[in-house]
Amino acid sequence: DSGVTQTPKHLITATGQRVTLRCSPRSGDLSVYWYQQSLDQGLQFLIHYYNGEERAKGNILERFSAQQFPDLHSELNLSSLELGDSALYFCASTSGGGDTGELFFGEGSRLTVL
Amino acid sequence: DAKTTQPNSMESNEEEPVHLPCNHSTISGTDYIHWYRQLPSQGPEYVIHGLTSNVNNRMASLAIAEDRKSSTLILHRATLRDAAVYYCIHLEYGNKLVFGAGTILRVKS
Repeated sequence: DSGVTQTPKHLITATGQRVTLRCSPRSGDLSVYWYQQSLDQGLQFLIHYYNGEERAKGNILERFSAQQFPDLHSELNLSSLELGDSALYFCASTSGGGDTGELFFGEGSRLTVL
Repeated sequence: DAKTTQPNSMESNEEEPVHLPCNHSTISGTDYIHWYRQLPSQGPEYVIHGLTSNVNNRMASLAIAEDRKSSTLILHRATLRDAAVYYCIHLEYGNKLVFGAGTILRVKS
C-alpha cells in the first residue's frame, strides 16, 4: 500500500460526458502528479501540482483540467469525453518538489468511455 | 524530454540475478537516474535512484557507468513476483518523470 488513494477505481461513462477523478496523497506529501496510461501511449505525464500551485504541464488536453486543494487532495476533471480517453489514470505523490525524490503511485482509476 | 533506451523484453530464471541495462547518453551532470517498475494491474513502484555512485537498497542495486551514459539495475535473486515492466528514467533537474516503454521482465520458474 503506497498510501496514495484514488477514487473511483473504475468508471464507465459515455462520450461527451464529464468525470472527476480524485486523489488523496500520502500524509504530508505536498506534490501531486497525474499520469495517463493507455495501451498505445504508455504512461504519459499530465500535470504536477506542488502545495496548491501548478508546477509543470505535460501532454494534458485542453478538455482536461486539474487542481490541488488546500487539504492537498487533487482532482482531475475530464470533459467532453471521447473514446480515446479510455485509460488508466494514476496519481502519484511525493514530499518535495519531485526533482529527485521517490514518487508513490496510487492504484489508478480505470476510465472506460463507451 | 530526456530519453532513455532499454531492451523491449528480457527473461530470467527464478533465483538467478538479473541485469537490466539502460542507456541515457544525453544525461547531464545534475540529472538523476530513476528506476521504477510496474507489476500487472498496479501503479508504478519506485525501485531505486542514483546520481553518480552505485546505490543499493532492499530491492535492488543500481550500477552507474563512470561516464553516466548508461546504468544497470541489478536484481540479485529474481522471483516470480519480480515479473514486471521496468522503467529507467533520466530525470532532468526541475523536470518531471517521463516514462518510456520500459523493459518487460519475464521470470521463469
